[in-house]
Amino acid sequence: EAQVTQNPRYLITVTGKKLTVTCSQNMNHEYMSWYRQDPGLGLRQIYYSMNVEVTDKGDVPEGYKVSRKEKRNFPLILESPSPNQTSLYFCASSLLAGVGEQFFGPGTRLTVL
Amino acid sequence: KNEVEQSPQNLTAQEGEFITINCSYSVGISALHWLQQHPGGGIVSLFMLSSGKKKHGRLIATINIQEKHSSLHITASHPRDSAVYICAVRLGSGAGSYQLTFGKGTKLSVIP
Repeated sequence: EAQVTQNPRYLITVTGKKLTVTCSQNMNHEYMSWYRQDPGLGLRQIYYSMNVEVTDKGDVPEGYKVSRKEKRNFPLILESPSPNQTSLYFCASSLLAGVGEQFFGPGTRLTVL
Repeated sequence: KNEVEQSPQNLTAQEGEFITINCSYSVGISALHWLQQHPGGGIVSLFMLSSGKKKHGRLIATINIQEKHSSLHITASHPRDSAVYICAVRLGSGAGSYQLTFGKGTKLSVIP
């Protein structure tokens, strides 16, 4: 089944404790992206990747890192999480940037205490 | 900075009604996406447009590049259409970037 998976789905952590949210797709897509969704602010793009080893900042990259060492995986890294990073995170992929629909993962709800 | 405005913010309709959701943006774009977010939180991509009109089942999306405006229409609405509909735009047209800016969404409730 074609899908985008994210892990974990739910995470409660404390300020400053490094964490990684994984994202994996099985569709051989080149484009992958991370978004966060907050009440009243909607979806905002954090980082995106046009292909392996190519990443770029979205609207709200501060406090996040990404890597794209292989096509299928695009992990989101929070080196030192803070409470303002409490949010619902979505990973998405598409065949190419702007080509074909974007497939979204199920979301990761992160709470930073 | 591009602003993406959606209207209305909330919409309640009777089953069977024709529904229109609007998206306006302030600068030139090269593509516009319509997304649907289900009550459970999952997000589905509905359309990607750079010009004209697209149709899929009861959903129709149009875009007017000159007026910087797009509409999403739902014909013969059904309670299962109840969701949040989100517009997103891609700024610029360079091959090396694909940054998206989102509207805040329109919450649609269709009553039987």
